[in-house]
Amino acid sequence: QKEVEQDPGPLSVPEGAIVSLNCTYSNSAFQYFMWYRQYSRKGPELLMYTYSSGNKEDGRFTAQVDKSSKYISLFIRDSQPSDSATYLCAMSKDDKIIFGKGTRLHILP
Amino acid sequence: DAGVIQSPRHEVTEMGQEVTLRCKPISGHDYLFWYRQTMMRGLELLIYFNNNVPIDDSGMPEDRFSAKMPNASFSTLKIQPSEPRDSAVYFCASSFMAGGTSPPYEQYFGPGTRLTVT
Repeated sequence: QKEVEQDPGPLSVPEGAIVSLNCTYSNSAFQYFMWYRQYSRKGPELLMYTYSSGNKEDGRFTAQVDKSSKYISLFIRDSQPSDSATYLCAMSKDDKIIFGKGTRLHILP
Repeated sequence: DAGVIQSPRHEVTEMGQEVTLRCKPISGHDYLFWYRQTMMRGLELLIYFNNNVPIDDSGMPEDRFSAKMPNASFSTLKIQPSEPRDSAVYFCASSFMAGGTSPPYEQYFGPGTRLTVT
């Protein structure tokens, strides 16, 4: 079993819809949970992070962590065409970050 | 700050040739990471340095790959000899130790080097 599992998509949704992106993981030692966004032909950039379990909201984005289920989510409200990108979940253990493969998201105008 | 700088942005080479990728991390950052990204395998950590010292190179696929960090502002990833299966986008990222509830290793990525080995 891989440490981090993420559906690669692609996921296509109409503009204005709520988007739900998810990852599962196997290692209970992970403490920090992150979402990186990667636009085409660019490097990933940190979007949001959460320490341990719970929710965190930042504008249209909400990150959710359920450590008991080893499941994390990213919700995007009122999705915009500019949100079209690949979203990578990431989790830190010691001083390394383990990335999911990423989910390609297309927001249709 | 200009962010993480990588060169070249694109590299096309023939099988068997030596390839050298370069990275300049963000000033003040004490961690440097080299990743490889492909559609099939996603983003894979190859090696990382702390204060210029290699900490974990377990992700380096073979002895054909080597990385150095001679000083805090420069690192190289070398592939010798290169093979077609090395074709990928190679990213360099840097970070610094932070306290509190910030991720201790929030990483800042460069634009990547797209390597094609024919």
